[in-house]
Amino acid sequence: QKEVEQDPGPLSVPEGAIVSLNCTYSNSAFQYFMWYRQYSRKGPELLMYTYSSGNKEDGRFTAQVDKSSKYISLFIRDSQPSDSATYLCAMSGSGAGSYQLTFGKGTKLSVIP
Amino acid sequence: GAVVSQHPSWVICKSGTSVKIECRSLDFQATTMFWYRQFPKQSLMLMATSNEGSKATYEQGVEKDKFLINHASLTLSTLTVTSAHPEDSSFYICSAPGLYEQYFGPGTRLTVT
Repeated sequence: QKEVEQDPGPLSVPEGAIVSLNCTYSNSAFQYFMWYRQYSRKGPELLMYTYSSGNKEDGRFTAQVDKSSKYISLFIRDSQPSDSATYLCAMSGSGAGSYQLTFGKGTKLSVIP
Repeated sequence: GAVVSQHPSWVICKSGTSVKIECRSLDFQATTMFWYRQFPKQSLMLMATSNEGSKATYEQGVEKDKFLINHASLTLSTLTVTSAHPEDSSFYICSAPGLYEQYFGPGTRLTVT
């Protein structure tokens, strides 16, 4: 079993839809959870960073962590064509800065106008 | 936010030759940098951790004699792919840690013919 599982999609939704992206993990040592967005042939950029179980909201994005189930989610409200990208979940046993990250495979999202 | 650059963005080389990829932190110092490899539709896989002034730490299965890493200054790390083969064709991404996140470079696409 891989440490981080993420459905690679592709996922295609109409503009304005709510998007739900998910990852599961097996390593209980993971304490920090991140979502990165990666456009084609570009480096990843950080979208959301969470530590505790629960929800964290930032604009149209909501990150959800359930440590008891080892399950994290990213919700995108009112999706836009500009949200079309690959979304990667990432996890770390320590702080997200100086420590190694373990990534999911990424889910490719297309938002259709 | 902090900026990390990579050069070149795309390189094509012949099998058996060596290629050097540069990773620079433009407005901050980084004693540590991470090198990742990403195959199409796959996750970012950590290859090695580059440490300024000391030897790099390689992940299991990564040949340190093939992927030479030099972290000669606080703003520059280089990855040299020696005797490149077609199976080394991939997207190579570096990152430098900040306090709460890792800052990723835009990536270098290597094609070995």
